[in-house]
Amino acid sequence: DTAVSQTPKYLVTQMGNDKSIKCEQNLGHDTMYWYKQDSKKFLKIMFSYNNKELIINETVPNRFSPKSPDKAHLNLHINSLELGDSAVYFCASSQAIRGRTDTQYFGPGTRLTVL
Amino acid sequence: DAKTTQPNSMESNEEEPVHLPCNHSTISGTDYIHWYRQLPSQGPEYVIHGLTSNVNNRMASLAIAEDRKSSTLILHRATLRDAAVYYCILRGIQGAQKLVFGQGTRLTINP
Repeated sequence: DTAVSQTPKYLVTQMGNDKSIKCEQNLGHDTMYWYKQDSKKFLKIMFSYNNKELIINETVPNRFSPKSPDKAHLNLHINSLELGDSAVYFCASSQAIRGRTDTQYFGPGTRLTVL
Repeated sequence: DAKTTQPNSMESNEEEPVHLPCNHSTISGTDYIHWYRQLPSQGPEYVIHGLTSNVNNRMASLAIAEDRKSSTLILHRATLRDAAVYYCILRGIQGAQKLVFGQGTRLTINP
């Protein structure tokens, strides 16, 4: 059973297009996250939602809009894609929002390539 | 979040112990030390965490220095599957909800 799943696994698109990445977790967690890993392999948090409420927004361009229809899903919609958006995007979830000891569970990643 | 420093890369042989160091000289008294690893083409996965005492679990052991300014992740018998990038991350009261990844240590295991 996959705990955190993402679709699609690969996404290749043209500059200027709009695309979405979906994430689902079946762990019953309250908190979900989006992280971005760039070409230099640096992993950085983008957003966090707790019970469908936005908690963290780390100075991400407003072309990126997360949407959480319920606490098991956190989708990432990207408008007007740019070359610099090419990266691997990871979804994650955890039980607690402010716990220093909670574990985050990551999905397999979505590799986005913008041409 | 306080900063951590790790070697860029390390190499070891299969079935030998591996000690992965992490320096965190500016750690505060309430910061937990977490380790995650990222296997090739996968998302990061949790390894272990601790506050002051040494910790053991199925995957690894965490040895924390008495002054807490450094820690060591110990893989007791490395396998090829342990080849990954290992991240040492501090989580304090401020910003505990996010993981702040550094560059990590790329561990290579030789057969």
